[in-house]
This record gives sequence, structure tokens and C-alpha cells, in this order.
Amino acid sequence: GQQLNQSPQSMFIQEGEDVSMNCTSSSIFNTWLWYKQEPGEGPVLLIALYKAGELTSNGRLTAQFGITRKDSFLNISASIPSDVGIYFCAGQLGTGTASKLTFGTGTRLQVTL
Amino acid sequence: DGGITQSPKYLFRKEGQNVTLSCEQNLNHDAMYWYRQDPGQGLRLIYYSQIVNDFQKGDIAEGYSVSREKKESFPLTVTSAQKNPTAFYLCASMREGEGNEQFFGPGTRLTVL
Repeated sequence: GQQLNQSPQSMFIQEGEDVSMNCTSSSIFNTWLWYKQEPGEGPVLLIALYKAGELTSNGRLTAQFGITRKDSFLNISASIPSDVGIYFCAGQLGTGTASKLTFGTGTRLQVTL
Repeated sequence: DGGITQSPKYLFRKEGQNVTLSCEQNLNHDAMYWYRQDPGQGLRLIYYSQIVNDFQKGDIAEGYSVSREKKESFPLTVTSAQKNPTAFYLCASMREGEGNEQFFGPGTRLTVL
């Protein structure tokens, strides 16, 4: 099955810095989702995007659905230690329960004090 | 509290044994999913079920089996035919008609010795 290209693979940043990561696909999607996973836990949904060009915020997180429908980015502003984890993007072409998610390979974020 | 539970958190089995992983949800979600996650990789879909008594193969179904006898339960059996069963297994669920947002359980780490 296809996996999305997610970059960077890992990031080491200092507390207070802003972070940007992105996800690209060779196929178009109707939905982009961003998840965060902490070690040994399941992914937690951060932001869902449903429309090309859409820009959505959730606290310090901002995500955009690319206008071509083949990419999405996630920004984290003023990072804090609890932002540590792996961030996954996921794309979906159709709608409803029959339409499968395609996941990115993840961006591992480390935050130093 | 509504949510998805997976048990056990850690599971050890000898090579050649079948093992069943539990997934229960009390969110009244219609669809349930099983994913496999290997170190440094994204999630890959094993099986999914949109309704009771029906399920579909995902991208990596070989060596796995599932059942969906109740709406709230979707157990996964890892059979001896699975060549490399050691992995982190994640269960997810989604309600029909609520966008494309899948919600994940905490995962089960299976180690085959």
C-alpha cells in the first residue's frame, strides 16, 4: 500500500521555537488528518482538514490543506517539552467508513530546554 | 468515559502459536480498524469492518484473521502464518457520517519469541 512522504523525518529544537512539517502525496485526497503519537501509545487526532486551501488552528497548532490536494503542512508555534512525540499525517480520498486512511512515515520531534 | 480499549498492553508468545488481541469501544462507532506499526514506520491497515458480521481485508491481511460479532468488539487473531508478527498493533474506530476521523486505542505490543 501507498505511504505518504513526510518531512523532516526528525527534528531537534529548543523550547520556544516554531516547528514546521509537511506531507506530500502523488495522489489527491479529500481529507487530511494530523495525529500525534507518544511512545507506547496510540495516535491522538490533532487537526482534521476537509477542503482544499483550508487553514485550521488548534491552540498552538496550525495546519493547511494544500490547494493541489496533494499536500498538507502542520506548524507548531512556541514549542514546549510536552510537544515531544511523533507526528503523523494521514490522507483519505473518499468519505465514510469504507474509505481507507493512508499514513505518512512520521516526523519525530524532540524539544530541548 | 467513552473510548477504545485494547488488551493486553504487552503480549509475549512463542513462535508458531496463534494469539488474539482484544479491541473494545463504547463510542457507538460503526466502523473498526486494525493497524500494524513497525519501528520508524507509519501505520498499515490489516483489516477493517464497517458493520457487524462484515469485514474487509486491508493492505497487509495475510496471516491475520478478524471477527465482528458485536458492534463494540473487533478482535484480531495473529496466526502462525504471519511471518513477522512482532509489532505494535493499533485498533481504531469511526462513526459513519462524522467526517473521516478515526480514533485510536492505546495499542498492544506483541513480541513473538
